[in-house]
Amino acid sequence: GESVGLHLPTLSVQEGDNSIINCAYSNSASDYFIWYKQESGKGPQFIIDIRSNMDKRQGQRVTVLLNKTVKHLSLQIAATQPGDSAVYFCAENAYMDTGRRALTFGSGTRLQVQP
Amino acid sequence: EPEVTQTPSHQVTQMGQEVILRCVPISNHLYFYWYRQILGQKVEFLVSFYNNEISEKSEIFDDQFSVERPDGSNFTLKIRSTKLEDSAMYFCASSLGTAGTDTQYFGPGTRLTVL
Repeated sequence: GESVGLHLPTLSVQEGDNSIINCAYSNSASDYFIWYKQESGKGPQFIIDIRSNMDKRQGQRVTVLLNKTVKHLSLQIAATQPGDSAVYFCAENAYMDTGRRALTFGSGTRLQVQP
Repeated sequence: EPEVTQTPSHQVTQMGQEVILRCVPISNHLYFYWYRQILGQKVEFLVSFYNNEISEKSEIFDDQFSVERPDGSNFTLKIRSTKLEDSAMYFCASSLGTAGTDTQYFGPGTRLTVL
């Protein structure tokens, strides 16, 4: 899946540095959030998720922070590696007009890791 | 590790032709989804499917689109009469639980090019 994204915001970091990718979500009723990583030519790959009853969740080298007050989500990657270079999407479990829920993706951030 | 698979990886078709995109979801998953990603844009929800029927669909998923689970392993997306604007990456995903409760795992995508 290409996200060539001529207009994608880009975060450029040095290998070994920590990265922080931010996302603003739209629906205050959303209660489940996921970060996906998409490398060129591939589908979105699950990284980490968080439910609204938590404000922080840690995985291996990744941490997701949720601030429901300002509807903000962030992904922190520790000791960023060249293999982390990809487009990162946040997704929220949002209600559709029908009252049922579906996953809604943000527009993505391109992470470039400089060796 | 089980994964979602999709075929073909690339489909080229003439405008007005029918196409069928195929997916094999993870075997014990119960919920199936189709998304599309137009080049340079974000991933957009098309449809979710559970218990042999559509459970949710977006406004993109009009009468030209249909989904089917023809057997116990395949999940297909049919576009009846393709338009130029249908050109995109199409991703299949599956989850054990619903969009609101469980992680969706994505396939590698099918690139559809309509000429």
